[in-house]
Amino acid sequence: AQSVAQPEDQVNVAEGNPLTVKCTYSVSGNPYLFWYVQYPNRGLQFLLKYITGDNLVKGSYGFEAEFNKSQTSFHLKKPSALVSDSALYFCAVRGLSGGYQKVTFGIGTKLQVIP
Amino acid sequence: DGGITQSPKYLFRKEGQNVTLSCEQNLNHDAMYWYRQDPGQGLRLIYYSQIVNDFQKGDIAEGYSVSREKKESFPLTVTSAQKNPTAFYLCASSIALIGAGYEQYFGPGTRLTVT
Repeated sequence: AQSVAQPEDQVNVAEGNPLTVKCTYSVSGNPYLFWYVQYPNRGLQFLLKYITGDNLVKGSYGFEAEFNKSQTSFHLKKPSALVSDSALYFCAVRGLSGGYQKVTFGIGTKLQVIP
Repeated sequence: DGGITQSPKYLFRKEGQNVTLSCEQNLNHDAMYWYRQDPGQGLRLIYYSQIVNDFQKGDIAEGYSVSREKKESFPLTVTSAQKNPTAFYLCASSIALIGAGYEQYFGPGTRLTVT
């Protein structure tokens, strides 16, 4: 069965500092990996995805993520955090499960950027 | 929240009543999904549809029903058989269900409270 782990319930970072939100996954075959962001009482917004190719993926709002196949990780990063980045971040993996492509989401990591 | 609308934003019902949540998309996407979000549990798939007049159960379909009579519409009915219906419900769509890692677009969500 495929799975996603986001080991930190919450990440606190000072404004202007680099941020990392961690994600590891387990899936059969080649993974398709995604990051989404959710602001309070809103739906999820797509940030970026890894399908194939360059291990460093760039996405919306200055975010990027690094795919590491040997460590089965897909950590989300940003060089300089903004207060407006404070939100709930979800990692997701898409793989084959029971004959169809299934998306499995992590439980989310709350990012708090401190002014 | 892209081209997906969900209504209403907040919904209150008495226990034992069925309730239908609306989801409409104007993105011309073939695939649509319903997720349930509970604190600390991430997103769990209720139902998905890859084409009109076809839909499949997800991981937690018991107590829910759906229809897909039009490409742009995918309503979810929460029946009285659902034992714990109070939750935040998210509708999503993607270009297709099977393919090269299509990302999902989410609606703003409906918060259902059953008392």
